Amino acid sequence: GDSVTQMEGPVTLSEEAFLTINCTYTATGYPSLFWYVQYPGEGLQLLLKATKADDKGSNKGFEATYRKETTSFHLEKGSVQVSDSAVYFCALPPGGSEKLVFGKGTKLTVNP
Amino acid sequence: DVKVTQSSRYLVKRTGEKVFLECVQDMDHENMFWYRQDPGLGLRLIYFSYDVKMKEKGDIPEGYSVSREKKERFSLILESASTNQTSMYLCASSLPGRGSYNEQFFGPGTRLTVL
Repeated sequence: GDSVTQMEGPVTLSEEAFLTINCTYTATGYPSLFWYVQYPGEGLQLLLKATKADDKGSNKGFEATYRKETTSFHLEKGSVQVSDSAVYFCALPPGGSEKLVFGKGTKLTVNP
Repeated sequence: DVKVTQSSRYLVKRTGEKVFLECVQDMDHENMFWYRQDPGLGLRLIYFSYDVKMKEKGDIPEGYSVSREKKERFSLILESASTNQTSMYLCASSLPGRGSYNEQFFGPGTRLTVL
């Protein structure tokens, strides 16, 4: 079935470092793709999304491009801050359904 | 500001107790979801409701039931709590449809401990 695989981490970076969190997907067709973020002690919130191939989603300095050739949706940020410390989840709707299936999450810690 | 609220942030219960977790959304969404989140396992779907009184089992429904009597409220019920149900429980809602409509809005979570 449709699924996402993301690097599991944890990832530890210094402030202002470049961030990449890898996400690859398996799906029939071209589903929408999502990145969610979970800050400590909170629920998930949508970070960015892309609804078709070659779309780039962006928000708060984060970007991800929907690449059908490599079935990937990697999350990037050029200069991370301490406040970006969180768990990041990649997700897609399986089989074109109204549900979402999530990756296992990648914990990011940014040190000053 | 759109909102999904959950009745408790932290809950401690005893083995064998009946536990109710409540979720309310103010966005008039048709779809509502219950997940549990465990370290190393990510989010796993327990139940999904696509309309009042309608429900669908998710990936791990055993030991749980749900109730949706009103559109805005979706309850998760642990009929007889067990220690392996100690977890973070997350509720979410979304509009019907696909593509961009798959975006889900999450509550803050309830951390349940079963002793």
